[in-house]
Formats: sequence, C-alpha cells, structure tokens
Amino acid sequence: DTEVTQTPKHLVMGMTNKKSLKCEQHMGHRAMYWYKQKAKKPPELMFVYSYEKLSINESVPSRFSPECPNSSLLNLHLHALQPEDSALYLCASSPGTMGVEQFFGPGTRLTVL
Amino acid sequence: RKEVEQDPGPFNVPEGATVAFNCTYSNSASQSFFWYRQDCRKEPKLLMSVYSSGNEDGRFTAQLNRASQYISLLIRDSKLSDSATYLCVVNMYGNQFYFGTGTSLTVIP
Repeated sequence: DTEVTQTPKHLVMGMTNKKSLKCEQHMGHRAMYWYKQKAKKPPELMFVYSYEKLSINESVPSRFSPECPNSSLLNLHLHALQPEDSALYLCASSPGTMGVEQFFGPGTRLTVL
Repeated sequence: RKEVEQDPGPFNVPEGATVAFNCTYSNSASQSFFWYRQDCRKEPKLLMSVYSSGNEDGRFTAQLNRASQYISLLIRDSKLSDSATYLCVVNMYGNQFYFGTGTSLTVIP
C-alpha cells in the first residue's frame, strides 16, 4: 500500500464550527506532515510529526491543532477559522530517512464561510 | 533569502519543443533533491529524484550541480499532457523538505 488517504475531500464550514481533517498511511513512514496550499502557490508547511511527536510547528495559529494518535494517523482539528484559511490542505508522509521523497495525499479542499 | 528559488514562469511552449527548468538552493548541506509535478487542484506527485550523476526517465532528464547549488529538469518532445506546475523540492535533513515556488508549464498544440 503506497498511498496516503485524506478525508473528507471537500469541507465547507462556518467560522464558529469545529471540524477535523484526517490523514492515514500504511507505509510504515515515521514522519507525517500538514501543508496548506493556496491557488498558484507552493505548499506551505504547517506541522511535522516525527515518531508521533510534533517536531516542527511553523508558527501556525492556534485555531489549527494537530494530533497524531498513532504512527499511521494524523488529524488536524479546526476551530474558529477565518475565510482566509480557505485552501487545499495536504497531508504527506515520508520514511524520515535521507534520500526518500514525500508521498502526498489527495488533499482536503476547505472553504470557510 | 528563500531556501529554494525557481522561475515561476509561465512557460508556454509548442508541442514537440524542449524546455528546461532550473532551481537553485541556498544551503550547501542539502542532501536530496526532487522534482514533483502538480496538476491543477491535485496533489503533488513525484516526477523524479535527482542524483549527483544525473538521471533520465524517458523524455525527462534531471541534473544536479552541487558546486553551483542548482538542479535542472529537461523535458524533450513536450506533450500536451506535460502541462502542469513543476515543483523543485530540496531535502535538507531527514524530515525537512523545502519547496520552490513552482514553474508553470503550458504545452500548446
């Protein structure tokens, strides 16, 4: 299984809602990532988990809260988002060793009203 | 200064043309290098890893110049289906990947 899955594919939420994005991989990868991507821009790193521990937080606002329940799962909890948070949210995983690429999930397209 | 720099384009080329993209990186400690392709509203997908000796996959050739700190991607005999954004990615340590801004390619019939 060389796949990263993400749910939901699309999400529309109001600014007062609480929702979660989910990501799963079964490749035995030890590093998992959340990226945010706006139109015509490259992916922008948000968080990195290494061996289920948060290793990088790129100064992301607290309305985004990551969680890594186990080595295969990664969640992103959303609360009190702003319309400018509307974007494609991509999850990726990698073995965590040099020379091996990241594998991306299909993303969740989020719209905040 | 950005870790990875790319010319964003856009590059508009006719079918059958040869097109080259370059990417420069700032940290000489960078270890691994990749080209990803991203179609509109889709996730990035690995096109090629880039090795010191250079590597070729069909119409695609990637090269690395460590002394000048740049990598390149050459696409020969461009197809309409090559139209996409090409992202240069540099891996500096095990878990740190840095993205270029992406280069937009449109192949015109």
